[in-house]
Parts: sequence; structure tokens; C-alpha cells
Amino acid sequence: NAGVMQNPRHLVRRRGQEARLRCSPMKGHSHVYWYRQLPEEGLKFMVYLQKENIIDESGMPKERFSAEFPKEGPSILRIQQVVRGDSAAYFCASSPPWRPQGSSEQFFGPGTRLTVL
Amino acid sequence: AQSVTQLDSQVPVFEEAPVELRCNYSSSVSVYLFWYVQYPNQGLQLLLKYLSGSTLVESINGFEAEFNKSQTSFHLRKPSVHISDTAEYFCAVISGAGSYQLTFGKGTKLSVIP
Repeated sequence: NAGVMQNPRHLVRRRGQEARLRCSPMKGHSHVYWYRQLPEEGLKFMVYLQKENIIDESGMPKERFSAEFPKEGPSILRIQQVVRGDSAAYFCASSPPWRPQGSSEQFFGPGTRLTVL
Repeated sequence: AQSVTQLDSQVPVFEEAPVELRCNYSSSVSVYLFWYVQYPNQGLQLLLKYLSGSTLVESINGFEAEFNKSQTSFHLRKPSVHISDTAEYFCAVISGAGSYQLTFGKGTKLSVIP
């Protein structure tokens, strides 16, 4: 049973270019989360998606960032017109449908390390 | 709003010595607590979790953590560390049943010295 997969693992972009980060959840998981890890910081929640729906994007910057989780295919985190401050590790996590008795565990992918030159 | 504080950013310890990594949280509702480990240039792996029941939880590689509601703490301990335990450890919390947003501490870098 493959884990959460992310690609690319490393991505280099010049200022002003677009970055596309992909995440394939674990088999059977219908919930996807994106987190960002800035240098020397813990992970910060960005967005929570289910198939074809954005449930919570309260952690997403208001401009240039968008996320989707289509019916078919991986979840995509898209950053338009990247700036140096976007350099970070972006982690995707997935979880199965919630259980009534509590919160579901999130399984993390290996991350995409974005470097903006 | 919930928050997680990891008081030590770096902890050096000699091999086979005990270690404690501290974690305190703030939340006004019920919580679920997690410790994740991140090896260099890798993603996060769940080390152990507290969802309910016994307040002492253990991992398969000798770590344990105890949920202390009165002190709002979830400290991670290991009685004897190994070189392979060198990594960064993150404490995280989810507040409230049905919640999903993990709030992480800033992490503690554990360095095991031979």
C-alpha cells in the first residue's frame, strides 16, 4: 500500500514563474491537506480539500496561491508569480473519511522543497 | 485558538542517555496530540498519538509520551537514545472532535552524540 506521494521532490523556479506541486493521497483516502514549512519553523496549515471541494482554505495566502483536488488525478497546489518568500517545504497529508468517535490521523508525504531564485 | 510550544529548539544528548522533549499546548476544548519525527530531507512520520484512553502512549521504537491535562503537556521521553534517533521532532495538536487542522510546534532538533 503506497503512502502519500508528492512530486516533484525538489523544484527550482525563478521569480515570477509558476510552481505546480502534486500530491497523490493514500489509497482509500478522500481528504487532502497542504502544509507549508518555512525555514526554522513548524508546519503551518494551508488548505483542506475533499474531492472537487475546498473545505477550508483559511491558511492560504490571499493572492497567487490556489489548490484543487479534482475527481480524477492528484491534488495540485499552484503558486503563481513566485517570490523568494515562497521558498519552503510544502507537505501534503491525507486521511481516510472521519470516524465519528474522533479525529482521523493524517499521513504525510515526503514534501516538495521549492526554491525560488 | 490553539497553540503548541516546544521549549527547546535543540537538544544534544549522549548515546544511551535518557532524553525528554517538552511540549505544551493551549486549547480550551478536548485535544488530540501527536508527535511526528522528521529525518533530514524527509517527510514527517507519525511517532505516536494520544486520541483517548490511557494517558501514556508508546511507540514501537522505545519512545513514550504522557498526556497531562492539568499541565497541558505532552512530553516525549526515551530512556536510552540511539544514534539513529537523531532527527527533528514536532509536537502537534488537533482541538475538538471532528477537527482536522493540525497545529504544530516549531520543532526540537535532537542530536545524539556518540
